[in-house]
Amino acid sequence: GEDVEQSLFLSVREGDSSVINCTYTDSSSTYLYWYKQEPGAGLQLLTYIFSNMDMKQDQRLTVLLNKKDKHLSLRIADTQTGDSAIYFCAVSGGSYIPTFGRGTSLIVHP
Amino acid sequence: NAGVTQTPKFQVLKTGQSMTLQCAQDMNHEYMSWYRQDPGMGLRLIHYSVGAGITDQGEVPNGYNVSRSTTEDFPLRLLSAAPSQTSVYFCASSPGGGAAGYTFGSGTRLTVV
Repeated sequence: GEDVEQSLFLSVREGDSSVINCTYTDSSSTYLYWYKQEPGAGLQLLTYIFSNMDMKQDQRLTVLLNKKDKHLSLRIADTQTGDSAIYFCAVSGGSYIPTFGRGTSLIVHP
Repeated sequence: NAGVTQTPKFQVLKTGQSMTLQCAQDMNHEYMSWYRQDPGMGLRLIHYSVGAGITDQGEVPNGYNVSRSTTEDFPLRLLSAAPSQTSVYFCASSPGGGAAGYTFGSGTRLTVV
C-alpha cells in the first residue's frame, strides 16, 4: 500500500520561513493534502494540490510538488507562534481514502 | 452547522468491556472514516464507509466493528477492549471527489486499564 514519510520535528525562529517535507510511494496519487493539528483538536485541512500541478500558493502557504521524485513540501512564510502545531501530509488516489504521514511537529520560538 | 460530532470526548474502560464511540455529521457527506492516533504513529485507518450500507476495513480493523445505517451516523464499536486500544480516535467525513478533503471531529480519548 501507500507509504507516506515525514520528518518528525522542525524548529524555526519566529519570522523565518518553515519548510515541511513529505515523500510518498504511489505514483498514481491524485490528491495531496496538508493538514494542521493543534493541541487537543482534530485535524484541519490547510490546502491540497492536484497531481497535475507543480505549485499552489495560498496566502502564506506554498505547496510544491515534484512528481518525478514523489516529493511534496509545505512552505510557511513569516512563521508565527500560532503556527506551532503538528502538520500532516496525506495522499489519495481514485478511492479518495487518504493515507497520512506520521506528522511533523513544528515548534516556533521567539 | 455542527460539522462532525464525536461523543464521548473522554472514556476509561476496563479490559474486556465493550463500548460504542459515536460519530455524526450534518454535512450530507457520503464518505466517513475512523482513525486512531498514537504517539509517533500518525493516523491509522480503522474502517471507512463510502455511503450508507457500505463499509470496509482499513489498516488496523481488528477488535473494531462499524455499521452505516444512515448517511449521518457512523458508530465504532469496541467488542472487548484491550490496553492496546488505548488511543485517540478521530472520525472524519468527506463529500468525496478528493478536492474537499476530510472534515475531522475533535476526537475521543480512550484509556483501557
